[in-house]
Amino acid sequence: GENVEQHPSTLSVQEGDSAVIKCTYSDSASNYFPWYKQELGKGPQLIIDIRSNVGEKKDQRIAVTLNKTAKHFSLHITETQPEDSAVYFCAASTGGGTYKYIFGTGTRLKVLA
Amino acid sequence: DAGVIQSPRHEVTEMGQEVTLRCKPISGHNSLFWYRQTMMRGLELLIYFNNNVPIDDSGMPEDRFSAKMPNASFSTLKIQPSEPRDSAVYFCASSSPDRGPYEQYFGPGTRLTVT
Repeated sequence: GENVEQHPSTLSVQEGDSAVIKCTYSDSASNYFPWYKQELGKGPQLIIDIRSNVGEKKDQRIAVTLNKTAKHFSLHITETQPEDSAVYFCAASTGGGTYKYIFGTGTRLKVLA
Repeated sequence: DAGVIQSPRHEVTEMGQEVTLRCKPISGHNSLFWYRQTMMRGLELLIYFNNNVPIDDSGMPEDRFSAKMPNASFSTLKIQPSEPRDSAVYFCASSSPDRGPYEQYFGPGTRLTVT
């Protein structure tokens, strides 16, 4: 069935360094790839997304890249800050004309001050 | 603007009891999603509605679970009877046809504990 793999499961970086989280999807019909940030005790928050007709999208310190051929997409956070510490989830839309996502398993990011 | 509203935020109940979780989507959004989050299984889609109609309930675990959306501003997820393995955080999310139906906005969740 459809699957989204996410790596790494945990990531620790020093404040000011960059963080990269990678995802791989299996459904060739996927055309929308959101990233969510979840802080403790809160719901996931949409932070950036990319559609299949775009290779890269940037929003301040956050960027997402997509390689449709390889079915890979990645989240890049530059100049990390302690408030970036959270769990990050990638997701891929499913085909078949529905608006469903398949979520990755999450990456716990710790930014060390 | 108010986000997705869920109630209650926490629910503790005994095995066998009926549990009802409630969700108010963002005004103007026409798709509503119910998710369950556990450490073991991550975020799972249970059911989603479009224009108040259930479109896909393939994620609903079993007949003990049911969901309704009587109008555009309210949905319920009911578990009857509840079991300890239903303990999880349940999220509701909504999306708008104007912003693109894929952009889902999540509520704060309901933490359910079944003892």
